[in-house]
Amino acid sequence: EADIYQTPRYLVIGTGKKITLECSQTMGHDKMYWYQQDPGMELHLIHYSYGVNSTEKGDLSSESTVSRIRTEHFPLTLESARPSHTSQYLCASSTGDRTNEKLFFGSGTQLSVL
Amino acid sequence: GQSLEQPSEVTAVEGAIVQINCTYQTSGFYGLSWYQQHDGGAPTFLSYNALDGLEETGRFSSFLSRSDSYGYLLLQELQMKDSASYFCAVRAPTGGFKTIFGAGTRLFVKA
Repeated sequence: EADIYQTPRYLVIGTGKKITLECSQTMGHDKMYWYQQDPGMELHLIHYSYGVNSTEKGDLSSESTVSRIRTEHFPLTLESARPSHTSQYLCASSTGDRTNEKLFFGSGTQLSVL
Repeated sequence: GQSLEQPSEVTAVEGAIVQINCTYQTSGFYGLSWYQQHDGGAPTFLSYNALDGLEETGRFSSFLSRSDSYGYLLLQELQMKDSASYFCAVRAPTGGFKTIFGAGTRLFVKA
């Protein structure tokens, strides 16, 4: 079973607040991802990382930032939350093996910005 | 750029067989994968095809034709619990090793 954890599970916050969504995995995976998903919609890649000290922006423009100081930890930060940031944020990790890629997802953080 | 197309909804009856198609356009290609997501849950991995042909895992099978940029997920002996969204996803070398997801197909299984 996947060992990837996201906290908090739900977050309701006011406009302008700074927030950090936590994501940790215990599988030793080099590659980690953040996806944003609205209800019933597709997953949009917003950030990814090849490994420690590596971060890249995804296809969906995002005002968030990420860091990868440790292999197991990939937090996402919003400096100033806005109502347009309301969405579900999913963290994932993978071994990145070209012949058999498998993403493991965390349970997600449902963010509501009032 | 990269794009994936799959039907938005499919309805089938319990015990039947259903096929969910996915066509993709990418610059380069490593493989096609499928994920299942129940309402309120996280996506869970079903299959990954790097080579042409059919991969079978229990009631689920996945097919890939790289020459046609096409794949499908086949679900047999449908059960009510199979009602969920199914996403195809492409892993391509363009811009790195990103995995890009399609919009998802909502499967409704009726009794």
